[in-house]
Amino acid sequence: AQSVSQHNHHVILSEAASLELGCNYSYGGTVNLFWYVQYPGQHLQLLLKYFSGDPLVKGIKGFEAEFIKSKFSFNLRKPSVQWSDTAEYFCAVSRSNDYKLSFGAGTTVTVRA
Amino acid sequence: DGGITQSPKYLFRKEGQNVTLSCEQNLNHDAMYWYRQDPGQGLRLIYYSQIVNDFQKGDIAEGYSVSREKKESFPLTVTSAQKNPTAFYLCASRLTGSQPQHFGDGTRLSIL
Repeated sequence: AQSVSQHNHHVILSEAASLELGCNYSYGGTVNLFWYVQYPGQHLQLLLKYFSGDPLVKGIKGFEAEFIKSKFSFNLRKPSVQWSDTAEYFCAVSRSNDYKLSFGAGTTVTVRA
Repeated sequence: DGGITQSPKYLFRKEGQNVTLSCEQNLNHDAMYWYRQDPGQGLRLIYYSQIVNDFQKGDIAEGYSVSREKKESFPLTVTSAQKNPTAFYLCASRLTGSQPQHFGDGTRLSIL
C-alpha cells in the first residue's frame, strides 16, 4: 500500500520566516505529486503539482516544491511567510494515471504577526 | 460557476440511523471521491468512482455505501454499521487520473 508521510504536525513561525514542510511517500513507481492547502473555513485548494519535467515546481502565492526521486520526497517551501499563510497543508500522491490519491496527515502552519 | 456542491453543510444523526450525504458536480469530471477528514489523520479515502455505475472501495469503506447512477452525482450513505461516524466528509472530483482533484466545502456529521 502506498503511504504519504508529513514530518511536522504543527509548525509555528513568525512573519518573514522561511517555511519548509517535509513530505515522503513509499511508492517506488512513477508518481504524480500534489500539495493542497486548506485555509480556515475554506475548502481544500491546489497549491502546486508535479507530473514530470523540472523537479522544482512553482505554485500559487510564492510556494514552490522540489521533487527528489532518490529520496521519495516532495518538500514544500516558501522563502518568506505571511500571516495569511496560516492554514493546513496536505501532501498527496498518486501513481501516474491512477485515480486513487493518497494524502498525508497534514501540517498545521501558524504564522504569528 | 462550475464546482462541487455538498449538502447539507451540517448533519446530525441519531445512533442506529442511516444518513445520506449529497455531492453534485457540474465540472463534467469523470472521477468522484469521498474522503473523511479527522484531526491529525489527514484525508482518508472512503470510496471512489472512475465512471458511472462503477465504484471502488478506498481505505476505510466499512460502514459506508455509495452509488454512481449519474456522472454528476455521487451520494454517500453512512450506515448504522459505521461505529464512529462523527467526522468531516469531503467530496472531490477529477477530470482524469492525471489531473488534480477539486474539492467541495464538506459536510460535518455529528451523532446525537
